[in-house]
Amino acid sequence: IQLTQSPSSLSAAVGDSVTITCRASQNIMTYLNWYQHRPGTSPTGLIYATSRLQDGVPPRFSGSGSGTEFTLTISNLQPEDVATYYCQQSFSTPPMTFGQGTKLDIK
Amino acid sequence: QVQLVESGGGLVKPGGSLRLSCAASGFAFSDSYMSWIRQAPGKGLEWVAFISNIVGTIYYADSVKGRFTISRDNAKNSLYLQMDSLRAEDTAVYYCARGNLNSWFFDHWGQGTLVTVSS
Repeated sequence: IQLTQSPSSLSAAVGDSVTITCRASQNIMTYLNWYQHRPGTSPTGLIYATSRLQDGVPPRFSGSGSGTEFTLTISNLQPEDVATYYCQQSFSTPPMTFGQGTKLDIK
Repeated sequence: QVQLVESGGGLVKPGGSLRLSCAASGFAFSDSYMSWIRQAPGKGLEWVAFISNIVGTIYYADSVKGRFTISRDNAKNSLYLQMDSLRAEDTAVYYCARGNLNSWFFDHWGQGTLVTVSS
């Protein structure tokens, strides 16, 4: 199963709301997860099963979608949100596949 | 708290071998699914290998099948990745990661260990 993220990169101001899209090559129901990879750190789990926030993740992060189209939305963007975000499908494993990543910067 | 600490990376010549280790603490390691995931320089994340908890079901990415071996020692709370017949394209930071609630959602990752395959 292929995952395609868009955009590949984006820049937004503090306080803005941003949306990242992940499209799957076939129906994956809601078996879609998101990861955050901040510069100089290791990746961490952000959202699982499309919309469930990992413990400790601020509620300004949200996920939605089903089937083949999914979104990650970050509201009230903060400087610490600068990261590359990856989607990952867990519907058909192995293999576990990731999107190519979306790099988010602050203007 | 959950901690995963990788070690064993380094510089190796093509065709050589390395064994990576991941020391786990702060959670019930023997009950947890684990994976190795890598990131080549300037590239995205690539899943490498998976091992389940008690039964020890194992899967590999096609790119490493037949060359890499994942294993675990639950008594030592440790995960391993034996890498043989290394190629230049195996150069990457290798992360061990824990499967949340025995799923394929990997909530906690180690800091990573760099493997460089070069002559």
